Amino acid sequence: EVQLVESGGGLVKPGGSLRLSCAASGFTFSSYAMNWVRQVPGKGLEWVSSITPSGHFTHYADSLKGRFTISRDNAKNSLYLQMNSLRAEDTALYYCARDSEWSYAFDVWGQGTMVTVSS
Amino acid sequence: QSALTQPASVSGSPGQSITISCTGTSSDVGGYNFVSWYQQHPGRAPKLMIFDDTNRPSGVSNRFSGSKSGNTASLTISGLQAEDEADYYCSSYSDTTPRVFGGGTKLTVL
Repeated sequence: EVQLVESGGGLVKPGGSLRLSCAASGFTFSSYAMNWVRQVPGKGLEWVSSITPSGHFTHYADSLKGRFTISRDNAKNSLYLQMNSLRAEDTALYYCARDSEWSYAFDVWGQGTMVTVSS
Repeated sequence: QSALTQPASVSGSPGQSITISCTGTSSDVGGYNFVSWYQQHPGRAPKLMIFDDTNRPSGVSNRFSGSKSGNTASLTISGLQAEDEADYYCSSYSDTTPRVFGGGTKLTVL
């Protein structure tokens, strides 16, 4: 079964850091681009970041202003998101999502991990 | 403010058809054939319903169809069923930022 399982979310103070992980299974992880997408509870989806299959190229939403770093370890079938200088507006459910092999579509999603930034 | 514009809500009765629009620009929706649509039920992760403007992934009901004209893409659901009640999001590849989402549309089945 194709599966993505996020972890690492929690409560962090403003200015703090957190590292999210996404464990992939059931497919050849190293063949797919991967993404992080977030959703403020009760609000819409927001694309956060993407990384190519090899990990050589990354992209970020302009709103992040260099605070987040996406990475992957293909040997461990894992995707990561290092989040620094966290702000209250980063509070959201963070989803790991796989890019379709044939298109720019998110064809597999995890269940998400909640990040709460509050003092 | 979302990059792609969707109506906040639409509604329809069982058996009817509804259409949700998604308006962007020539830098995203109108410039590429990479519009996708997602269904999200409360408390659940989004599910891919349409990719590449008009294509359905395996397992998605043929009651769901996608189309596009210029900078506006559309999702049509025919033969509306109670289980279709959910939030729907469009997304597109963009040459300004790799991916953009619409603000989402809440579908109510009356």
